[in-house]
Amino acid sequence: NAGVMQNPRHLVRRRGQEARLRCSPMKGHSHVYWYRQLPEEGLKFMVYLQKENIIDESGMPKERFSAEFPKEGPSILRIQQVVRGDSAAYFCASSPGTSGRAHYEQYFGPGTRLTVT
Amino acid sequence: GQNIDQPTEMTATEGAIVQINCTYQTSGFNGLFWYQQHAGEAPTFLSYNVLDGLEEKGRFSSFLSRSKGYSYLLLKELQMKDSASYLCAVRDQAGTALIFGKGTTLSVSS
Repeated sequence: NAGVMQNPRHLVRRRGQEARLRCSPMKGHSHVYWYRQLPEEGLKFMVYLQKENIIDESGMPKERFSAEFPKEGPSILRIQQVVRGDSAAYFCASSPGTSGRAHYEQYFGPGTRLTVT
Repeated sequence: GQNIDQPTEMTATEGAIVQINCTYQTSGFNGLFWYQQHAGEAPTFLSYNVLDGLEEKGRFSSFLSRSKGYSYLLLKELQMKDSASYLCAVRDQAGTALIFGKGTTLSVSS
């Protein structure tokens, strides 16, 4: 059973360009979470999605950032007009659900390291 | 506000026991998680506590006291490969997002 897949693993963008980060959850998982990890900082929640729905985007910056999880294909985190402060590791996690069991741990992908030059 | 505190760094020697503490203040509580993260890699799940007490899993144990907002991760018979960051995370009442501490970097020496 393949784990959570993220690509690309490393992404370099110049200021003002767009960055697209992709996440394929584990097989059978329908819940996807995006986190950002800045140097010397902890993981910060950004957005929680289910297929075709954004459930919680309370951690997303109000501008330039968007996320989707279409019916077919991976979840996409899109950053428009990137700035140097967007340089970070972006992790995707998936879980099979949030009900039924007392807990569902989130399984993390290897991350995408974004560098803005 | 939401706050999770854990020590920044700890050192220990092979074969020893180390305890990594975590205190939290969150608006709600729906479980506490410990993850291990090696440099440049994904966090991997170690343990979960939702009720008070000790959960043991091999060399690793995790303890929770909800009344004190306190947890610890206990690592026994330390090995060099245990050198990593250990992340404490709380799931808030919404039952979805994890709130992470900044992590504790553990260095194990021979």
